[in-house]
Amino acid sequence: AQTVTQSQPEMSVQEAETVTLSCTYDTSESDYYLFWYKQPPSRQMILVIRQEAYKQQNATENRFSVNFQKAAKSFSLKISDSQLGDAAMYFCAYRPWAGTASKLTFGTGTRLQVTL
Amino acid sequence: DADVTQTPRNRITKTGKRIMLECSQTKGHDRMYWYRQDPGLGLRLIYYSFDVKDINKGEISDGYSVSRQAQAKFSLSLESAIPNQTALYFCATRGTGGRTEAFFGQGTRLTVV
Repeated sequence: AQTVTQSQPEMSVQEAETVTLSCTYDTSESDYYLFWYKQPPSRQMILVIRQEAYKQQNATENRFSVNFQKAAKSFSLKISDSQLGDAAMYFCAYRPWAGTASKLTFGTGTRLQVTL
Repeated sequence: DADVTQTPRNRITKTGKRIMLECSQTKGHDRMYWYRQDPGLGLRLIYYSFDVKDINKGEISDGYSVSRQAQAKFSLSLESAIPNQTALYFCATRGTGGRTEAFFGQGTRLTVV
């Protein structure tokens, strides 16, 4: 079974600084997707960024980028120029390419605080 | 209107009561999911459905049942609620195709007293 581990329950960053959230996963699949979701106090689950495992290039979305290390099964999220609105719970998630009902498996989350 | 709508948004119920959480979607997606979120545990899959005739258990289905009334509607029931079912519940949908993303409802906060 696939597992996703987020070892940082809480992180803090000053406004305008950069922070990196860690995620590791375990799978025997070679093709899969990895995601970072943001959950603000509104509870809405918002997709931040997606990475296809077959792509060597790290995904980027504006101030958000990932460091995808397939051999190490590591998928970290870097937030640059942090803003107060980035404060939220962040979940790393894994989904196989096909089969296994293509279910999302989530990590336990990292709560990010942004300070002035 | 939201793509995925969950009702109610918040609910307090008593131990032993039957309760239904409802989910409807306007995305036209075949795949629908129910997740449960607990502090420190992330989101865990309760049930999922690929169409109205296809219902599958997730990793934590005990104590829950579901009904796929139509392509757009997927309900989660707690037949006899217990306090450890207090949690935040999410419905999600996804279309076919590998690159399609999941869309989540805004969650139902359920408290069992």
